[in-house]
Amino acid sequence: NAGVTQTPKFQVLKTGQSMTLQCAQDMNHEYMSWYRQDPGMGLRLIHYSVGAGITDQGEVPNGYNVSRSTTEDFPLRLLSAAPSQTSVYFCASRLTGSGSYEQYFGPGTRLTVT
Amino acid sequence: ILNVEQSPQSLHVQEGDSTNFTCSFPSSNFYALHWYRWETAKSPEALFVMTLNGDEKKKGRISATLNTKEGYSYLYIKGSQPEDSATYLCAILDMGRRALTFGSGTRLQVQP
Repeated sequence: NAGVTQTPKFQVLKTGQSMTLQCAQDMNHEYMSWYRQDPGMGLRLIHYSVGAGITDQGEVPNGYNVSRSTTEDFPLRLLSAAPSQTSVYFCASRLTGSGSYEQYFGPGTRLTVT
Repeated sequence: ILNVEQSPQSLHVQEGDSTNFTCSFPSSNFYALHWYRWETAKSPEALFVMTLNGDEKKKGRISATLNTKEGYSYLYIKGSQPEDSATYLCAILDMGRRALTFGSGTRLQVQP
């Protein structure tokens, strides 16, 4: 199993540009999520999905869109990049059900918006 | 937004010291608590997932306890080693949302 994969690893955008961060998992996990990590703030939830066709907002959803057309993929779209979106982005997945399943994280995407 | 608090924010200890950190959370609607270890430039990796009041889990020199009635969990490291240096995150899954909410972490540095 490749686990949770993310592309790209690094990206530099100009203000106003759009892009999609890719996330895929091969563990047949129902639940997938996107977090951003900023210094001193831990991991903040952007969007999550409990299965194909179902998405919901987390704590900091503004400026981001997601879709979940397959179990495997959960892309994160930045509609019009802003410097405040400079961050490290982590995708994660886990099984749902009892809640006792650990979450697996991707390697992260470091995004800089100038 | 669920409020998950971790203390201390950072900790410096000497090799061989034992140490512990705290995770506090609202006890209502509790479903599960996760502890993760996060090394610099890597991804967080799960240490423990705990669901029941009074749960105790152990992995090598690291152990954790859970008190769901009063809303806290302790993570203990016995005989700290330099390779234990990392940020330790706790996260809560509540009954309402199926998303994990993370605390801001405790950064541990172990000096050789």
